[in-house]
Amino acid sequence: GENVEQHPSTLSVQEGDSAVIKCTYSDSASNYFPWYKQELGKRPQLIIDIRSNVGEKKDQRIAVTLNKTAKHFSLHITETQPEDSAVYFCAARQTGANNLFFGTGTRLTVIP
Amino acid sequence: SAVISQKPSRDICQRGTSLTIQCQVDSQVTMMFWYRQQPGQSLTLIATANQGSEATYESGFVIDKFPISRPNLTFSTLTVSNMSPEDSSIYLCSVEPQETQYFGPGTRLLVL
Repeated sequence: GENVEQHPSTLSVQEGDSAVIKCTYSDSASNYFPWYKQELGKRPQLIIDIRSNVGEKKDQRIAVTLNKTAKHFSLHITETQPEDSAVYFCAARQTGANNLFFGTGTRLTVIP
Repeated sequence: SAVISQKPSRDICQRGTSLTIQCQVDSQVTMMFWYRQQPGQSLTLIATANQGSEATYESGFVIDKFPISRPNLTFSTLTVSNMSPEDSSIYLCSVEPQETQYFGPGTRLLVL
């Protein structure tokens, strides 16, 4: 199966600064990479995703980059706000499969 | 997107008993997924449920412990059998209409 590693496990930034979370995956056949945000006591919510035929995708303050050769992808949050504080999970899905393999999560704290 | 509800939202159970969790979706979906999220941990797939066939279980999960039903395209149940304190977790169902996976609100289970 797929193995997804995520770093760092915790990240603290000052409000207004940028945050970067990185993930690596093991199966070169994986072709779909979503990012989820989970606030305390709530369900994971999809915030952005990228497919293997695209190198970068942006949605307002959030962007994801994918390096297929190196098998890693990253989440970038610019101009962070206190409401960005949450646990973020990356995931990967193998070609032809339906289930997602999740990273271990990053607890992001944005300090006002 | 999809609107997903789960019942119960939380429960406290005695060891050795069983609990059935229900998941209802507002649209017909081919596959439904059941995940477990242990305290402070990532999401681990338990099984994938298709209507009309037996669920497919991931390594480390067995049907006798986690029987699943999928009577129609909008509903599924997961039973946690013969519970022990190690089963204390959040259980989430998930669906994937149009290749994007959405999560239910989760069932928070505490086994004493």
